[in-house]
Amino acid sequence: DAGVTQSPTHLIKTRGQQVTLRCSPKSGHDTVSWYQQALGQGPQFIFQYYEEEERQRGNFPDRFSGHQFPNYSSELNVNALLLGDSALYLCASSFRTQVLNYGYTFGSGTRLTVV
Amino acid sequence: QKEVEQNSGPLSVPEGAIASLNCTYSDRGSQSFFWYRQYSGKNPELIMFIYSNGDKEDGRFTAQLNKASQYVSLLIRDSQPSDSATYLCAGPTTSGTYKYIFGTGTRLKVLA
Repeated sequence: DAGVTQSPTHLIKTRGQQVTLRCSPKSGHDTVSWYQQALGQGPQFIFQYYEEEERQRGNFPDRFSGHQFPNYSSELNVNALLLGDSALYLCASSFRTQVLNYGYTFGSGTRLTVV
Repeated sequence: QKEVEQNSGPLSVPEGAIASLNCTYSDRGSQSFFWYRQYSGKNPELIMFIYSNGDKEDGRFTAQLNKASQYVSLLIRDSQPSDSATYLCAGPTTSGTYKYIFGTGTRLKVLA
């Protein structure tokens, strides 16, 4: 039973560039949430996708956008990268109606460095 | 006030002792809470969840929830050096039922 898969694992980008991160949720899960974790901080909620729509959004600018595909996989896009976007980006999957009982399963994350 | 607050630590305990990690939350409507363990550079791993007042035990771990005081804790008995990690407390917001808010995490060091 595959867990949550994220790609790539590491990425280095230049300020102003655009990046796309990918996530395949755990088998049986239908909801994908994206978090940004800066060094020494807890994960910060970016947004959540369910039924191919953005259902919840955290306090992140419009430069952060996403998509969910019919197979439940998801992408996170960040435009006009800033140095402050350097962080570990975590994908968390869940089965929507069971998340309150079972929480999230996290992927290993994508480490984004903006130079 | 932050929605979920934790002391960042580090909390240092000797091997074999009980480690007590605490978390407070602001949303009185929150129903369930999760404790995740995160080793340096790795993804968070779910270790316990609790949604009823009182204690919940799983092996060396005990989660405690006090909804009246808006307080969640995690006790680790017989702490081992391998327990050294950052422990994240997470709770849902009632405004977005399926969204979880994380604390900043408490760094635990178990000294051999």
